[in-house]
Amino acid sequence: GAVVSQHPSWVICKSGTSVKIECRSLDFQATTMFWYRQFPKQSLMLMATSNEGSKATYEQGVEKDKFLINHASLTLSTLTVTSAHPEDSSFYICSAPPGWGEGYTFGSGTRLTVV
Amino acid sequence: QKEVEQNSGPLSVPEGAIASLNCTYSDRGSQSFFWYRQYSGKSPELIMSIYSNGDKEDGRFTAQLNKASQYVSLLIRDSQPSDSATYLCAVRADNYGQNFVFGPGTRLSVLP
Repeated sequence: GAVVSQHPSWVICKSGTSVKIECRSLDFQATTMFWYRQFPKQSLMLMATSNEGSKATYEQGVEKDKFLINHASLTLSTLTVTSAHPEDSSFYICSAPPGWGEGYTFGSGTRLTVV
Repeated sequence: QKEVEQNSGPLSVPEGAIASLNCTYSDRGSQSFFWYRQYSGKSPELIMSIYSNGDKEDGRFTAQLNKASQYVSLLIRDSQPSDSATYLCAVRADNYGQNFVFGPGTRLSVLP
């Protein structure tokens, strides 16, 4: 099945700095990747959909200038949290689109803590 | 607005009992249904998928689908403490699209 590799698994950064999270498809080419955010004891919230070679599609309420998404190749999508603040501390998860009738394959997630 | 609803729990069952997790969805045209398990601090992992009305069994897990009632459930037999996790129900509108809707999840606690 599809394998998605996500790095880093955890990161601590100072308020005001930027953090980049990478999501790679290891055994398939992904023209689309999905980025989710999950706060403690809450469900997954879709933030945006990255599209290879074109602009990402952001969900309502998600600041596109703060959460920069780049999908420069068929195997790599990145999410950069710019000027991070403590309220951005969360669990960020990428996922690959499913094949016919299949479920999502998720990356291992990135725990971001902004201090 | 397509919605997927689950009881947030926590649902507590004793070890060895059957745990029953329920999910309802609003989009009558939904075609594919999935159950994910998420341990604390980890990303979700797919444990079951079901597409047709009726039951589908995989080991200790049984998924049940009733499209007329817009209801899907997951039964876990012989529950183990290692089954303690949050279970997410996900619904896909069609088999070709990428439009998934996730439920809020039910926290299951299996007591030794």
